[in-house]
Amino acid sequence: EPEVTQTPSHQVTQMGQEVILRCVPISNHLYFYWYRQILGQKVEFLVSFYNNEISEKSEIFDDQFSVERPDGSNFTLKIRSTKLEDSAMYFCATQDSRNTEAFFGQGTRLTVV
Amino acid sequence: KNEVEQSPQNLTAQEGEFITINCSYSVGISALHWLQQHPGGGIVSLFMLSSGKKKHGRLIATINIQEKHSSLHITASHPRDSAVYICASQRKKTGANNLFFGTGTRLTVIP
Repeated sequence: EPEVTQTPSHQVTQMGQEVILRCVPISNHLYFYWYRQILGQKVEFLVSFYNNEISEKSEIFDDQFSVERPDGSNFTLKIRSTKLEDSAMYFCATQDSRNTEAFFGQGTRLTVV
Repeated sequence: KNEVEQSPQNLTAQEGEFITINCSYSVGISALHWLQQHPGGGIVSLFMLSSGKKKHGRLIATINIQEKHSSLHITASHPRDSAVYICASQRKKTGANNLFFGTGTRLTVIP
């Protein structure tokens, strides 16, 4: 069964530090997404990525955040100058086309202290 | 505004019971996803449907496009079905179509 791999599974960082969350999508998938889930809340959309560029971003995805696909395989989410409220589970998800099953990674639990 | 509402928020059932979780959405969609979130946090796709009904094992998902409503049924529930079940809509639009998530239904199946 193909799977989406996220690293690290857990990250603790000091407020103000930069973090990079990594995702390895399923190889033939074309659409990539980052979502986050603050503890006890619903999953929220951050950004979508297609054809090597951002397709859409939510209000949450401000200048603090960036995404890239540096080597054609990994898909990364960078959070600059982390804040306490950035503490959440971050999920990467991929699809092979627009309206197909979404595959999620196991998530990265980010804790900002 | 794109909203997805689920009911109930919490559900406790005895092993063997038939379970129904409901989902309503507010705008036209291209697909409706049912997802399962385990206690450790991981999310697994159960169904993606745009019309009619799908069945996988003891799980059945239905959707009524006109009424903007979907249901997830679990027959002969088992303690291992205990998890959070999430409904998520996917809009009709070009480019990548992100999901909009409901708040989830926490199911606990008691032996």
